[in-house]
Amino acid sequence: EEQLVESGGGLVQPGGSLRLSCEASGFTFGSYWMTWVRQAPGKGLEWVGDIKQDGSEVYYVDSVKGRFTISRDNTKNSLYLQMNSLRGEDTAVYYCARSGRIVVVPATWGQGTLVTVSS
Amino acid sequence: DIQMTQSPSSLSASVGDRVTITCRASQDIKKSLAWFQQKPGKVPKSLIYSGSSLQRGVPSKFSGSGSGTDFTLTISNLQPEDFATYYCQQHNTHPYSFGQGTKLEIK
Repeated sequence: EEQLVESGGGLVQPGGSLRLSCEASGFTFGSYWMTWVRQAPGKGLEWVGDIKQDGSEVYYVDSVKGRFTISRDNTKNSLYLQMNSLRGEDTAVYYCARSGRIVVVPATWGQGTLVTVSS
Repeated sequence: DIQMTQSPSSLSASVGDRVTITCRASQDIKKSLAWFQQKPGKVPKSLIYSGSSLQRGVPSKFSGSGSGTDFTLTISNLQPEDFATYYCQQHNTHPYSFGQGTKLEIK
């Protein structure tokens, strides 16, 4: 069974940093694009970014460019989201998702981890 | 960037009904449109990709159509478990983007 488990969420002050991790199991991690999606409290889904199988292509939503970095370690079956210069509007549940090999659409989702940016 | 607009924002229907949700892209996205279902407090579930292809395990009561800028999600024979919020997402051009969601409620 495919499984994704996020960790690293929590409370952080504005301007601070946080690193989210997503550990994958049940599928060949290195064969798939991976995606981060977030959802602010009571709001809709927002695509954050994604990363190609070998890490050679990474894309971000404009609001996080220059502040967030997506990376992966295929030897550890893990996806990461390094978040710097955090703002109140970054408060959200962050989901990692396994996307396709070619069609980059989230297919399997993790349970999410809550990031709260507040003083 | 491509903007995605769903209509209606909310919809009331009865068990057994057939409903249609519309998603419009601000520019041509060919057939690169996905649909997701999310129930309150739950993780989103992937339903459809590339406009009309069902994700594995998704029942055929869900169907998607459209191309270019206009797309629809149709749900037939509504059951209590289908009442949820539905999102579309374009996967044609980075940065990808979601619609604002359509809340499907029981009448």
